[in-house]
Amino acid sequence: EADIYQTPRYLVIGTGKKITLECSQTMGHDKMYWYQQDPGMELHLIHYSYGVNSTEKGDLSSESTVSRIRTEHFPLTLESARPSHTSQYLCASWTGNTGELFFGEGSRLTVL
Amino acid sequence: AQSVTQPDIHITVSEGASLELRCNYSYGATPYLFWYVQSPGQGLQLLLKYFSGDTLVQGIKGFEAEFKRSQSSFNLRKPSVHWSDAAEYFCAVVQAGGSQGNLIFGKGTKLSVKP
Repeated sequence: EADIYQTPRYLVIGTGKKITLECSQTMGHDKMYWYQQDPGMELHLIHYSYGVNSTEKGDLSSESTVSRIRTEHFPLTLESARPSHTSQYLCASWTGNTGELFFGEGSRLTVL
Repeated sequence: AQSVTQPDIHITVSEGASLELRCNYSYGATPYLFWYVQSPGQGLQLLLKYFSGDTLVQGIKGFEAEFKRSQSSFNLRKPSVHWSDAAEYFCAVVQAGGSQGNLIFGKGTKLSVKP
């Protein structure tokens, strides 16, 4: 069973608010990822990290930012949320041992 | 550009019937392929993966998939569907030039199971 946790699971906020979606994993994985998922659509990679102090943007442009100060923690921040940011955000970490991407349960964000 | 196509948006099968979910990919070299399942309100769980070797791969929950290079396909099958298999299924391929966690996903196939 993978140990990767996301909080909050659900968040409804107003436009212009700053939000941080938390993601933590206890498996010691170096590689971590954020995917964005809209209903009926494929997941798109928006950020990834190969280790501490390493962050890269994915193939889908996003106004969010990420940080990786500790191996186990990979938070995603939106400085000023807009309705277009309404989506589900899935955090994941990769293990090379089994070649598997472990996903958290997701954070569903609604911006009014 | 790389892509993954899942032609069926929604499939309904009767419990106990067989299942095949289609997946086609575009990628020149040998791909690394995955099938994930997502239950409502949950994250994604890996069903099975293909990296190399035997083109018929077995996964969890009784699922299997067959890699066919000539057809650029990686279809998921199960001989007898259970009501608990109702979920959304995503096919994915590793992005060329990216690490193995940089995946390109299809749009998913939603599976409904009739009693």
